[in-house]
Amino acid sequence: EDQVTQSPEALRLQEGESSSLNCSYTVSGLRGLFWYRQDPGKGPEFLFTLYSAGEEKEKERLKATLTKKESFLHITAPKPEDSATYLCAVQAGTSYGKLTFGQGTILTVHP
Amino acid sequence: GAVVSQHPSRVICKSGTSVKIECRSLDFQATTMFWYRQFPKQSLMLMATSNEGSKATYEQGVEKDKFLINHASLTLSTLTVTSAHPEDSSFYICSARTVGNTEAFFGQGTRLTVV
Repeated sequence: EDQVTQSPEALRLQEGESSSLNCSYTVSGLRGLFWYRQDPGKGPEFLFTLYSAGEEKEKERLKATLTKKESFLHITAPKPEDSATYLCAVQAGTSYGKLTFGQGTILTVHP
Repeated sequence: GAVVSQHPSRVICKSGTSVKIECRSLDFQATTMFWYRQFPKQSLMLMATSNEGSKATYEQGVEKDKFLINHASLTLSTLTVTSAHPEDSSFYICSARTVGNTEAFFGQGTRLTVV
């Protein structure tokens, strides 16, 4: 059974204080690992897809990396508007598009 | 990115009534649509997968007679919660993808409250 575990559950940062979110996964035949941002009362907003170990992607203050067992979402010099829940999800090779989500990390950035 | 529109964003209904939620892909053809449910402070749990023109595939533990899914066209899928009860109150989210594309884009979600 595919499993995704995110840590920490919640993270509080001061504005400008860089940090990383972790996503550990167990999946049979990884087809893709996805990062989403979710604001309260909204649907997830797509951030990145990573397909193979060693791959990295960047978008503004965010950088996602992938190994064979985990992924990190690095946040550099965060701003209060980066506050949200960050979700990690995996798609297995035989799942035909089905995503298995982690429980999310609630990020709060204080000014 | 691709746009997925979900309607309504909020709905309140009386216990025993049925509610329909629509999910539309606005600028692409969605060969597959997914319906998720999210309880407060919990992650998304997949309820069912639907492919255009065929019956939906439900996840274990999801009642197919209670959560009716129709995917009649490449741009529209509907979820009908039949004979809703207070325990069905939740945040329902759809996502859509197109053939050959691993990325799935999400609608804005529907907050269902059954009173």
